[in-house]
Amino acid sequence: NAGVTQTPKFRVLKTGQSMTLLCAQDMNHEYMYWYRQDPGMGLRLIHYSVGEGTTAKGEVPDGYNVSRLKKQNFLLGLESAAPSQTSVYFCASGISSYEQYFGPGTRLTVT
Amino acid sequence: KQEVTQIPAALSVPEGENLVLNCSFTDSAIYNLQWFRQDPGKGLTSLLLIQSSQREQTSGRLNASLDKSSGRSTLYIAASQPGDSATYLCAVRDYGQNFVFGPGTRLSVLP
Repeated sequence: NAGVTQTPKFRVLKTGQSMTLLCAQDMNHEYMYWYRQDPGMGLRLIHYSVGEGTTAKGEVPDGYNVSRLKKQNFLLGLESAAPSQTSVYFCASGISSYEQYFGPGTRLTVT
Repeated sequence: KQEVTQIPAALSVPEGENLVLNCSFTDSAIYNLQWFRQDPGKGLTSLLLIQSSQREQTSGRLNASLDKSSGRSTLYIAASQPGDSATYLCAVRDYGQNFVFGPGTRLSVLP
């Protein structure tokens, strides 16, 4: 039982490049979330999903897209990376919206 | 818009001390409040979750209290140990899917 895993752990992108971050969970959770964490600002919700095939915007969705084609996977895409998207990205999942289990994070640098 | 603050931003104490971390939120219409621990370079680990109808929760040496009317929660750590050194974050959830995190308190427990 791996819990919540994130791929990749680190990535460096040039401005304008695209990439996809993968979050996978093996706990059969319905709810999944993507956050970004910036120094001094806490975590901010980017997008979330309440079940397979559903997605919704969080607090800071601009510049990101998501997909939840399979229940166990939640993908976060950056179509045209910008330096402002340099951050640590965390995925979380939960059996309901009651509680969240977090992955180890992806550190992304955009130059 | 809900805002969450945490005081102090950083705290350094000698081993064995009891300590209190503070979390304040601006909107008392919350569903629950959760305290997390984050070790450097790692994801978040849930410590305690308090539902809006509860006043406190306890787990081992940790005790969290909630005063919704005043918009405050405290995390009490008894007999602190060097292994308690980490950043502690609180997060409030409203009646939608919004989780709002505080910026965290960085705790150092000196041996």
